[in-house]
Amino acid sequence: NAGVTQTPKFQVLKTGQSMTLQCAQDMNHEYMSWYRQDPGMGLRLIHYSVGAGITDQGEVPNGYNVSRSTTEDFPLRLLSAAPSQTSVYFCASSGTGSSYGYTFGSGTRLTVV
Amino acid sequence: GNSVTQMEGPVTLSEEAFLTINCTYTATGYPSLFWYVQYPGEGLQLLLKATKADDKGSNKGFEATYRKETTSFHLEKGSVQVSDSAVYFCALSGDSNTGKLIFGQGTTLQVKP
Repeated sequence: NAGVTQTPKFQVLKTGQSMTLQCAQDMNHEYMSWYRQDPGMGLRLIHYSVGAGITDQGEVPNGYNVSRSTTEDFPLRLLSAAPSQTSVYFCASSGTGSSYGYTFGSGTRLTVV
Repeated sequence: GNSVTQMEGPVTLSEEAFLTINCTYTATGYPSLFWYVQYPGEGLQLLLKATKADDKGSNKGFEATYRKETTSFHLEKGSVQVSDSAVYFCALSGDSNTGKLIFGQGTTLQVKP
């Protein structure tokens, strides 16, 4: 199994550009999440989804949109990139409930100049 | 709200030394507790978990016991190797409807030969 696949692995954007970070999982997981990782701040939840058609905001949602049209895919859209969005982004998926634990993708390193 | 506090790093040990990384949490109810490991340039991997009080999670020589009386989930390993050098994250999931993870700040472990 591929697990959680994120693309691209690296991306450089100019301020004001938009882009979509792709995330796909092949484990039939209902729960999916996007996190950003910044030095000294751990991982912070951006958006999450508990199933197709259902999304909600996490801790730091501003500047990002998500949608979940299928169980497998959970893309993250940056509407107008800002230097503050320079970060490493991780997508993760999990079975239902609080005891399953999330499986993480390998990350996308985004630089906004 | 729910939160996780980890000991600050970096932690530097010699090979074969004993490792403890402290983790305490604040949560209502009975959360599930996790340790994740992140090797350089990679995503997070689930290392071990415990889902109820007094449970012991173990994997690859690492252990952690869910202590509700002290709200702790300390990570231990009897003899570390250079290959254990990584960042370790403690996390909790207290919401079974979403499975959302709340992470500690992460602790960097460096093991020297």
